[in-house]
Amino acid sequence: DVKVTQSSRYLVKRTGEKVFLECVQDMDHENMFWYRQDPGLGLRLIYFSYDVKMKEKGDIPEGYSVSREKKERFSLILESASTNQTSMYLCASREGPILEAFFGQGTRLTVV
Amino acid sequence: AQSVTQPDIHITVSEGASLELRCNYSYGATPYLFWYVQSPGQGLQLLLKYFSGDTLVQGIKGFEAEFKRSQSSFNLRKPSVHWSDAAEYFCAVGAPSAGNMLTFGGGTRLMVKP
Repeated sequence: DVKVTQSSRYLVKRTGEKVFLECVQDMDHENMFWYRQDPGLGLRLIYFSYDVKMKEKGDIPEGYSVSREKKERFSLILESASTNQTSMYLCASREGPILEAFFGQGTRLTVV
Repeated sequence: AQSVTQPDIHITVSEGASLELRCNYSYGATPYLFWYVQSPGQGLQLLLKYFSGDTLVQGIKGFEAEFKRSQSSFNLRKPSVHWSDAAEYFCAVGAPSAGNMLTFGGGTRLMVKP
């Protein structure tokens, strides 16, 4: 069974904290993604990575950075968390453009 | 750049009734099209996809979708809805020119009345 695992289901952090969201996939996929999900806005792409140490900005990269040191792991970093980053964060991986993306369960982040 | 619009934010149908969820995309050529479902507290699960060939595609859980190039649409249908179909549904488009990126619509939340 394919799996994308996000390290936390729920997180509560304080404004200004540095926050790490971790994602691991066991399918040897080249491509990994971080999305943010907000009501009425659907999923918006923050960053994606197409290889180890390679990354590209998505639609809303401001306030975020990413790290991919190993093929199976893709981390999303909030350098200085703000309340407007309170959201559901979804990690995904996929092998190719006509193949499905597999999603993790999501991390609901609350910044207070 | 590609974009996806799901015009209906909420839809309520009675159990046993038919369902159609609308999806319109913007892209200059034939895109790759996907429908995902997200049940409460769950991640996204693929229902079906289209990338070429027969424009009517069958998916899991009795869903189907039809690609209409002339209308830039990829509407999802089910002939008879079950209470367990209550969820949020997302249409997504992948553009060959955009590599492996997927762009999602805003989602449609489906509620099912007994």
